[in-house]
Amino acid sequence: NAGVMQNPRHLVRRRGQEARLRCSPMKGHSHVYWYRQLPEEGLKFMVYLQKENIIDESGMPKERFSAEFPKEGPSILRIQQVVRGDSAAYFCASSPLGTIPNEQFFGPGTRLTVL
Amino acid sequence: GNSVTQMEGPVTLSEEAFLTINCTYTATGYPSLFWYVQYPGEGLQLLLKATKADDKGSNKGFEATYRKETTSFHLEKGSVQVSDSAVYFCAPSNDMRFGAGTRLTVKP
Repeated sequence: NAGVMQNPRHLVRRRGQEARLRCSPMKGHSHVYWYRQLPEEGLKFMVYLQKENIIDESGMPKERFSAEFPKEGPSILRIQQVVRGDSAAYFCASSPLGTIPNEQFFGPGTRLTVL
Repeated sequence: GNSVTQMEGPVTLSEEAFLTINCTYTATGYPSLFWYVQYPGEGLQLLLKATKADDKGSNKGFEATYRKETTSFHLEKGSVQVSDSAVYFCAPSNDMRFGAGTRLTVKP
């Protein structure tokens, strides 16, 4: 059973471009979480999704950021018109439906650099 | 809701020293409790967990006991190694906010 997959692992964009980060959860997992981590800082929650639904996006910036988790395919975190401050590591985690305890399984992250 | 207060870092120890990283929680009900570890350049991974009061989670020489009376889940290791250098996060179940974590550096 493959773990959580994220791609690309490294992404370089120029200011104003779009960044698309992909996350494939573990097989059988229907909950996906996205986090952002700035250098030397902790993990900041962004959004929690289930298939075709956004459950909690309270940590997502109101502009330029969006996330989806379609019925088929990976979850996508999209950042439009990137700025230098978007440079960070973005981690995706997944968990199975209805499991207690609610352990999260993390991907290796995508490191976004905005030039 | 659930939340944790975790000891701030950074923590620097010599190899074979004893480690304690404090974690206290506030919760409605009795959530499960986790310690996650993030090694340099990687994502978080579960280190150990406890699902109810008085449970002890253990893995790789690390231990933590879920203490209801003190609402604590402190992480301990009797003899740390250089390879334990990482950031450690304490988290209750069903809470997606991990906080800053505690950075541990172990020197040879």
